[in-house]
Amino acid sequence: DLTQPPSVSVSPGQTAVITCSGDALPQRFAYWYQLKTGQAPVPVIYKDTERPSGIPDRFSGSTSGTTVTLTISGVQAEDEADYFCQSADTTGTYPIFGGGTKLTVL
Amino acid sequence: HVQLQESGPGLVQPLQTLSLTCTVSGDSISSGLYYWSWIRQPAGGGLEWIGRVYRNGNTNYNPSLKSRVSLSVESSDNRFSLRLDSVTAADTAVYFCVRDSPGATSFDYWGQGILVTVSS
Repeated sequence: DLTQPPSVSVSPGQTAVITCSGDALPQRFAYWYQLKTGQAPVPVIYKDTERPSGIPDRFSGSTSGTTVTLTISGVQAEDEADYFCQSADTTGTYPIFGGGTKLTVL
Repeated sequence: HVQLQESGPGLVQPLQTLSLTCTVSGDSISSGLYYWSWIRQPAGGGLEWIGRVYRNGNTNYNPSLKSRVSLSVESSDNRFSLRLDSVTAADTAVYFCVRDSPGATSFDYWGQGILVTVSS
């Protein structure tokens, strides 16, 4: 299982920190997706810390033990969305997702 | 530019079969470079991986859905499909078709999703 906080709220320009915890994370890569209603979800971080082309550099990923973290520096209104972490199950066979975190930009 | 588009009925009756198709453009399923997955999200809920299919029809399924799910591929039409049997209200969700990343460890291109409601 992957555990995320249900919600995070920040003001524009501040830093948003979204965590994802799971026992298998030290052995598995983590990935982060941004979901906005009615739009195709977008990968924002892959392999714990890598940023896909086209994703602003205010998005960053980090890892420490059983927790991975998505950090959005200088949050903008357009960053308001649901964010999901993803990894693999303990066998490494099946993808699993965290419960999602709703980021609200105040 | 890779694009995926889901299509199918938005309303399915309980205990019937949910059938969806994903049409791929900007890439070729028959290239054999990727797996192709379905993922769903119930209203207000999290994401759930349903399963993946390869160009030759090989599949992997989420163990929790394996008894009711079937994925297939139509390479000549560059499409792949989902079939979910004996649906209930718990299967009401937005269904996404997705391209797996190389190595099939994550997902790099997603469709916009299609809402399927199970109701009489």
